Amino acid sequence: DAGVIQSPRHEVTEMGQEVTLRCKPISGHNSLFWYRQTMMRGLELLIYFNNNVPIDDSGMPEDRFSAKMPNASFSTLKIQPSEPRDSAVYFCATSAATDTQYFGPGTRLTVL
Amino acid sequence: RKEVEQDPGPFNVPEGATVAFNCTYSNSASQSFFWYRQDCRKEPKLLMSVYSSGNEDGRFTAQLNRASQYISLLIRDSKLSDSATYLCVVDNGSGNTPLVFGKGTRLSVIA
Repeated sequence: DAGVIQSPRHEVTEMGQEVTLRCKPISGHNSLFWYRQTMMRGLELLIYFNNNVPIDDSGMPEDRFSAKMPNASFSTLKIQPSEPRDSAVYFCATSAATDTQYFGPGTRLTVL
Repeated sequence: RKEVEQDPGPFNVPEGATVAFNCTYSNSASQSFFWYRQDCRKEPKLLMSVYSSGNEDGRFTAQLNRASQYISLLIRDSKLSDSATYLCVVDNGSGNTPLVFGKGTRLSVIA
């Protein structure tokens, strides 16, 4: 069975550029979470969706970050403009009715 | 006070040793508890859920003390393949599904 799919796996970009991260959840999972992980801060929840609806975006650092889930099989996290401090690993995770979350392989973002 | 606190380690132990990790959480309303494992440069993966009565899965034993808001993970007969970071995870107590992750405890099992 396919797990959570994320793309790209690695992204290197220059400060000021737009970055779009993509996530395909596990089929049938109705909750989707975007996390950011750094050595200093650990794993931080940015935003999550239930049934494609954004529920809590209080973890989104600032207006440069936005996320969408236009349908049950796709979500995007966009950073515009990107800054060096955005460099991190971004994970997408999904879950069904239980609390168990299944993580994608992550996108390693480097902003120069 | 941090929501989920763990000793970051690293714990360096020889093969075959028994090692225990502890975790405390601040939200008394939390109802769900987990241990996740994260290998270097990989995603976190569920290791086991933690139940009030305590639970065991092979060499791994998890325990919960609600009164002290304390969770533990015991690994017996440690293997080289157990080397990883172990994340303590609790729900946010609001009835929604978001989980709160500790920063993890790093374990290195040495031959």
